[in-house]
Amino acid sequence: NAGVTQTPKFQVLKTGQSMTLQCAQDMNHEYMSWYRQDPGMGLRLIHYSVGAGITDQGEVPNGYNVSRSTTEDFPLRLLSAAPSQTSVYFCAIRGTGPNSPLHFGNGTRLTVT
Amino acid sequence: AQSVTQLGSHVSVSEGALVLLRCNYSSSVPPYLFWYVQYPNQGLQLLLKYTTGATLVKGINGFEAEFKKSETSFHLTKPSAHMSDAAEYFCAVSDRGGADGLTFGKGTHLIIQP
Repeated sequence: NAGVTQTPKFQVLKTGQSMTLQCAQDMNHEYMSWYRQDPGMGLRLIHYSVGAGITDQGEVPNGYNVSRSTTEDFPLRLLSAAPSQTSVYFCAIRGTGPNSPLHFGNGTRLTVT
Repeated sequence: AQSVTQLGSHVSVSEGALVLLRCNYSSSVPPYLFWYVQYPNQGLQLLLKYTTGATLVKGINGFEAEFKKSETSFHLTKPSAHMSDAAEYFCAVSDRGGADGLTFGKGTHLIIQP
């Protein structure tokens, strides 16, 4: 998916470990967001940002931290991983206006044992 | 608060048959509506979107959707299914003026029978 790069593609963590999921974009969009996808649950918004220095919580923010120091990057941090955070994580960006579609990265598949 | 309901977690059709994936929404304001498709091990791709104007929206790969305000629906159709259409399909809604992203339905897995 052009414009949004997520790393790593796969990750296995033990309970209590920390890690950062990276998201980088080259489309100069102000809006960036993180979703998690679980079977039968669709996609749920974790955190989002409408510009550098501005972040806000989505539907399921607990256990995750974010920061936005540049327009290009929006990392998602798990400070102490739990099995309930096993999921596929997607970063998505959007142009100006709520009618602009989201553009998604290819996802990070995280397993917490 | 807005919400999206997709009827049927799995839909199976024969190749060449009509595809109909159902989506109903609730929103306190006129919504923006989207359909996304997800192929295995990939991110979501936009199929089509409704913002204002014509209620019948055409998208990529021969799909289209009709916005029916009276029924609060935005069903996705394709006249003739192809094997390559097998994927997960998500309906999503956004409030006008909202900055907090999209609300997604739980998805419908489309199965194409040969």
